[in-house]
Amino acid sequence: DAGVTQSPTHLIKTRGQHVTLRCSPISGHKSVSWYQQVLGQGPQFIFQYYEKEERGRGNFPDRFSARQFPNYSSELNVNALLLGDSALYLCASSSPEREGLGGETQYFGPGTRLLVL
Amino acid sequence: AQKVTQAQTEISVVEKEDVTLDCVYETRDTTYYLFWYKQPPSGELVFLIRRNSFDEQNEISGRYSWNFQKSTSSFNFTITASQVVDSAVYFCATGTDKLIFGTGTRLQVFP
Repeated sequence: DAGVTQSPTHLIKTRGQHVTLRCSPISGHKSVSWYQQVLGQGPQFIFQYYEKEERGRGNFPDRFSARQFPNYSSELNVNALLLGDSALYLCASSSPEREGLGGETQYFGPGTRLLVL
Repeated sequence: AQKVTQAQTEISVVEKEDVTLDCVYETRDTTYYLFWYKQPPSGELVFLIRRNSFDEQNEISGRYSWNFQKSTSSFNFTITASQVVDSAVYFCATGTDKLIFGTGTRLQVFP
């Protein structure tokens, strides 16, 4: 079975622009989470969606938004890009139905490397 | 609030040495989960283990073993007979919905 896929793999944008990152979960997984990983740090939680509803939101500004589609894929949108948004954006999928809601294992994709100039 | 501390920033060993990566967690939840992930240079986080707070049994999987001690809030990870392919950044995490990660330990295994 295919793992979590993300697109694009790399992206270069300039300050003030908008970016959309995409994620497809493991087949059968209905929950998707987004994380930002700045160089040298651990991943920081941005959003989690389950069954197309927002289940959690991290401490990120309103410039960050996300949504989940009926096929459980997800998009992360970032408006008005800042230099500090340069990071690896990781998507993870999980299956609360199998492991219970809360604390389920999250399986990560390869990430999208965003560089803001 | 939840927090994970990985005090070891970087560890270097020679192949076949045993190495232990430390993880100390903080949580007010009575039910919680602990995880270890491996991040090779490619960047993808690879899941290694999930442990719930009610299961304090140590676990062994091949050359990997984990020591969970609630009394010291620690969940340490040992690699026995390390190999060059073990070189990566290792993250400990906790969470009941979102994951809270530590800052990671970079392990370099030299031939």
